[in-house]
Amino acid sequence: DAKTTQPTSMDCAEGRAANLPCNHSTISGNEYVYWYRQIHSQGPQYIIHGLKNNETNEMASLIITEDRKSSTLILPHATLRDTAVYYCIVRPAGGTSYGKLTFGQGTILTVHP
Amino acid sequence: DARVTQTPRHKVTEMGQEVTMRCQPILGHNTVFWYRQTMMQGLELLAYFRNRAPLDDSGMPKDRFSAEMPDATLATLKIQPSEPRDSAVYFCASGPGQGSEKLFFGSGTQLSVL
Repeated sequence: DAKTTQPTSMDCAEGRAANLPCNHSTISGNEYVYWYRQIHSQGPQYIIHGLKNNETNEMASLIITEDRKSSTLILPHATLRDTAVYYCIVRPAGGTSYGKLTFGQGTILTVHP
Repeated sequence: DARVTQTPRHKVTEMGQEVTMRCQPILGHNTVFWYRQTMMQGLELLAYFRNRAPLDDSGMPKDRFSAEMPDATLATLKIQPSEPRDSAVYFCASGPGQGSEKLFFGSGTQLSVL
């Protein structure tokens, strides 16, 4: 699976947009970008995933560059409850490692009042 | 809401004792995963199952760890004998196995081996 690089930590003011970057310069054509987050003392939670096109759901938006070498997770109006570790994961949708997610160190997002 | 249920939430035991952690995946999900989380190593995949069959347990210490799915509603992770270095939070996750990696995680079992 392609390697991802994320900043160790980021801060955001409550009510503002949080933009979390992820670099995945070795991504292959059949690999998706997934985002999960882990709030303190809880299990990881799925946020969103995409292949080429930008995606939006009730939690966030995912912007993938045209060359697919990087992406940005956007939380449009961050709240204190969005304080968590955010993981960017790249992997193919099928194959023998189907379903297997490899978590890196992630980005610690702290939302301030 | 459907959720993955893990028991116990907390377990304190002494070195050498057997530990069994249980997981009830979401009904209808056919993939089940066991992860371990420590401060030093982060989230590590230990084992995973599809349709109750083990597909990959390469992340699991074979001499003391074992993972099974006796039926579709129960997955177990057993450590025998336990050691202090096994202290960690163990997460179970399940997925629908339909081309989506939208995994649902349980709340974890926090294990302390003294």
